[in-house]
This record gives sequence, C-alpha cells and structure tokens, in this order.
Amino acid sequence: DVKVTQSSRYLVKRTGEKVFLECVQDMDHENMFWYRQDPGLGLRLIYFSYDVKMKEKGDIPEGYSVSREKKERFSLILESASTNQTSMYLCAIQFSGTSTDTQYFGPGTRLTVL
Amino acid sequence: QKEVEQNSGPLSVPEGAIASLNCTYSDRGSQSFFWYRQYSGKSPELIMFIYSNGDKEDGRFTAQLNKASQYVSLLIRDSQPSDSATYLCAVGREDNMLTFGGGTRLMVKP
Repeated sequence: DVKVTQSSRYLVKRTGEKVFLECVQDMDHENMFWYRQDPGLGLRLIYFSYDVKMKEKGDIPEGYSVSREKKERFSLILESASTNQTSMYLCAIQFSGTSTDTQYFGPGTRLTVL
Repeated sequence: QKEVEQNSGPLSVPEGAIASLNCTYSDRGSQSFFWYRQYSGKSPELIMFIYSNGDKEDGRFTAQLNKASQYVSLLIRDSQPSDSATYLCAVGREDNMLTFGGGTRLMVKP
C-alpha cells in the first residue's frame, strides 16, 4: 500500500510566522507535489519535485518555498504566513508505472492563519 | 489554460439508483483520466483511471471515456449513502502533471 504522511492534520498559526509543512513517503517515489484546496477553486498546484534537491514551481508558488533534502521528505514552507494562506494543504506522490501517472494523496493539513 | 469542468452539484440520487457524474476537458492531447472520491474533511482517494475510449468497470463503478467529445464520466450503480462525497475528475497533461476539476458533490439519500 502507498503510504503518504503529513506532519499535522490541523495547524493554527499567526500572521507573519514561518510555517513548515512536512510530507513523508515510504515508497521511494521520485515525484512529490504540494497542492492547496479551497472551496470553489479546487486543487491548485503550488510546487513539485522530481528528485532530491530538485523543485519546480506550480501554478501558485507565490508566498511559498519548498525543500527536498531527502527523497522521502518534501517540505512546504510559508516564509511569512498570511491570512489568505488559510487552506487545506495536500501532499501527493506520483506512481509512474508502465501506464499510469497516478497521484496518491496524504491525509492533508488544514492550516488556519489568524 | 487547460481546463477540466465539472458541475459542482449537489447531485442528489436515491439509494439504489445509478449516479452519473460528468467531466469535460479542453486539452485534446490528454491521454490519462482519473476519478477521485473525497469525503468531507478528508483527502482525495483514487477510485479509477482510464486511458482508452469506451468503458472500464470496477465493481459498482464504471468510467466512460469519449476522446472525440472530450468527455469522461463516472457511473455508480446501486448508490449507497456511503457514496455521498465530492468526486474529482483529473486529466493528465503532457508534462505528467494532473489538472483537476472543481468536483461534483454527490448526495445519496436513504
């Protein structure tokens, strides 16, 4: 079974704080993703990574950065949290088999910025 | 901007009926299509994927793909209250990313 874990299910932070969201996978997959999900806006890709120390911007990278020092761990960083970053954050890994680009999601972190 | 469109719903069906969820996409070059189920407050869970035109069946679920019409659907037979959730359609892109639709909320009434 694919296992993706995220560091927290619920998180409350104050405006201006630095926030770290961690995602860990146990299947040695190269491709990892960070999305945010908001009502009416669906899932939007923030950043992704194809391998250790590699990162690519997604559709909405502003206000975020990422770190991938080890293959199993992909961190999303909010350098200075703002109220408009209150959202559900979802990490996903991509299984590239012979004919699939399927993505599997972690349980999500619901972040509230006050 | 490549788009994936879904009716947001809610789609309400009685228990035991067939629920039909629809999705259209704009990128003619898309080759892979996915359906995810998301319960309230939870993360999306993969239900099915389909690559070829036609139908693909898995238990009570059937995915249907028509590339000429740029249309993919999910049928749920014998709908149960536990099927009540939001269903997300996702379409694979040439860069291996997925584009997600906004989701359709399904309500199955006992």
